[in-house]
Amino acid sequence: DQQVKQNSPSLSVQEGRISILNCDYTNSMFDYFLWYKKYPAEGPTFLISISSIKDKNEDGRFTVFLNKSAKHLSLHIVPSQPGDSAVYFCAASAPGGGADGLTFGKGTHLIIQP
Amino acid sequence: DAGITQSPRHKVTETGTPVTLRCHQTENHRYMYWYRQDPGHGLRLIHYSYGVKDTDKGEVSDGYSVSRSKTEDFLLTLESATSSQTSVYFCAISEGTGGLEKLFFGSGTQLSVL
Repeated sequence: DQQVKQNSPSLSVQEGRISILNCDYTNSMFDYFLWYKKYPAEGPTFLISISSIKDKNEDGRFTVFLNKSAKHLSLHIVPSQPGDSAVYFCAASAPGGGADGLTFGKGTHLIIQP
Repeated sequence: DAGITQSPRHKVTETGTPVTLRCHQTENHRYMYWYRQDPGHGLRLIHYSYGVKDTDKGEVSDGYSVSRSKTEDFLLTLESATSSQTSVYFCAISEGTGGLEKLFFGSGTQLSVL
């Protein structure tokens, strides 16, 4: 059963507007959440993270929001730029530092329209 | 970029043949991981290692084995390749300090089993 869910396989947004990518999780033991960005023919690269003791983390144009009661997180990109077109993966880990790896969602393909 | 090198980058093989993929890191990180990426499935953990000669199974380990004889190298072996193992394989590393950690990924190996 999927523990990390990204229910939108793709999302199209106009350049300059806000992109909002969503992620839901089922495992209440998860305490650290990450977003990765992936371009074709490249490996995923770390974008931003948030621990369960926070509800928001911001880094430049990227903000991640965490709603623990709803087991939901979202990634906001403002303003969206053409270079943001990529597949975005939501990931989570449980206490212990994630020694057994991260659990990933299926990804959302973000397309920024000019 | 994290010092992770995957080889080969591309491989085409036939059903039933053995295949070994190599991951080499120059970061001296303790943890190493093998993931596979498939359309509609996102990234799924195959095996991971928490030290030399210390390995464990991930979510989709059937049909795969791993070895880690040196800190810097983590090998993934398909003993008898099947068409269902056609995929993109990513190696990842993390420091393994026990805190909240992110993974750093290699560029991937595209494997086609005919």
